[in-house]
Amino acid sequence: EAEVAQSPRYKITEKSQAVAFWCDPISGHATLYWYRQILGQGPELLVQFQDESVVDDSQLPKDRFSAERLKGVDSTLKIQPAELGDSAMYLCASSLRATGPTGANVLTFGAGSRLTVL
Amino acid sequence: AQSVTQLDSQVPVFEEAPVELRCNYSSSVSVYLFWYVQYPNQGLQLLLKYLSGSTLVKGINGFEAEFNKSQTSFHLRKPSVHISDTAEYFCAVRESDSSYKLIFGSGTRLLVRP
Repeated sequence: EAEVAQSPRYKITEKSQAVAFWCDPISGHATLYWYRQILGQGPELLVQFQDESVVDDSQLPKDRFSAERLKGVDSTLKIQPAELGDSAMYLCASSLRATGPTGANVLTFGAGSRLTVL
Repeated sequence: AQSVTQLDSQVPVFEEAPVELRCNYSSSVSVYLFWYVQYPNQGLQLLLKYLSGSTLVKGINGFEAEFNKSQTSFHLRKPSVHISDTAEYFCAVRESDSSYKLIFGSGTRLLVRP
């Protein structure tokens, strides 16, 4: 069964350091999402790509977070500098092109990258 | 804007007992509804979805949910739970006029005891 790959699974860093997460979506999935899940809360959308274009980054803290999907396949989420409040699970998900009320809108999630900022 | 409320942060239940996890949503337009399950240190896995048609939706692992438009609810049920059902369950909603914005509730931890 096809999976969304994420790395690293765990990352411990000190505040003010830079950190990066990588995501490889399911082959053929045009839409890619980055979610942040703080302990005890539901996932919150940070950024959504359709192919290589950003569709929604309204909740992305742009002063320190950046995301790219240069060739419309894999994606990188970067935090610089990291702050204590960034400690969370960062989840990547992908779906077929997100249009219309069909099964194409079902998101498949990766296992996540757990970040701890000390 | 849409929102999702899962009032129960934790639901303890004995093995083989029935369970209901509650989900209510708020939206001014028609919605699509989803339930996801998350096992420890893993990503989210789709349990079931409601897009249209029959209001009773059956999913994987013996779970089902019923869409109630008048009560704006989408409660998840299972007639007999197993120890392996212990996990975090998230309800999520997408508005029909927004092709992508999926909003999650805060989650309910189902704790199945022997």
